[in-house]
Amino acid sequence: DTEVTQTPKHLVMGMTNKKSLKCEQHMGHRAMYWYKQKAKKPPELMFVYSYEKLSINESVPSRFSPECPNSSLLNLHLHALQPEDSALYLCASSQGLRFSYNEQFFGPGTRLTVL
Amino acid sequence: KQEVTQIPAALSVPEGENLVLNCSFTDSAIYNLQWFRQDPGKGLTSLLLIQSSQREQTSGRLNASLDKSSGRSTLYIAASQPGDSATYLCAVIGIQGAQKLVFGQGTRLTINP
Repeated sequence: DTEVTQTPKHLVMGMTNKKSLKCEQHMGHRAMYWYKQKAKKPPELMFVYSYEKLSINESVPSRFSPECPNSSLLNLHLHALQPEDSALYLCASSQGLRFSYNEQFFGPGTRLTVL
Repeated sequence: KQEVTQIPAALSVPEGENLVLNCSFTDSAIYNLQWFRQDPGKGLTSLLLIQSSQREQTSGRLNASLDKSSGRSTLYIAASQPGDSATYLCAVIGIQGAQKLVFGQGTRLTINP
């Protein structure tokens, strides 16, 4: 099973709302990632967790707050977002960070619209 | 800083043709290169991963090659079908610095029936 699941599929929120995106994998992977993708652009890395610890933060604004409760779950908490944060948010996982065979598997994404 | 380029940005071919998508990267010190396809509004589907020590990988009608010394990879699609229409992205993970995928801008492929 090479599946990464994400919920919800679509999310509409106001600039004062607080919401969360969820990601889950059951492949025993120890690295999990959040990406942001704008239309007609490649994904941009936001955060990387390795063994449930934050390993990489690509200078993401604090209105995005990641959380890794256990090795299978990854959350992205959203608060006070701006309309320009509207995008497709993708979660991915891989065996780990220090493997030459480090294939990343992506979820279907959450389409976020900020009004 | 690693840069990945994909040419052409868009490609339209008739059904049944064999085709090649190109990917180039500026720093040959990579762990691996991965090819993805993305349908509109969907997530990325991993097609093939080539480790730095490998020259090619095959999956069904797809064949990806890697020439690390020249910083090039190609994705060959045989006997194209309308269902192959999608955006194809290549990405590399470099040895230096943080282990993260560096993506090209993608090639938008259309297969005409």
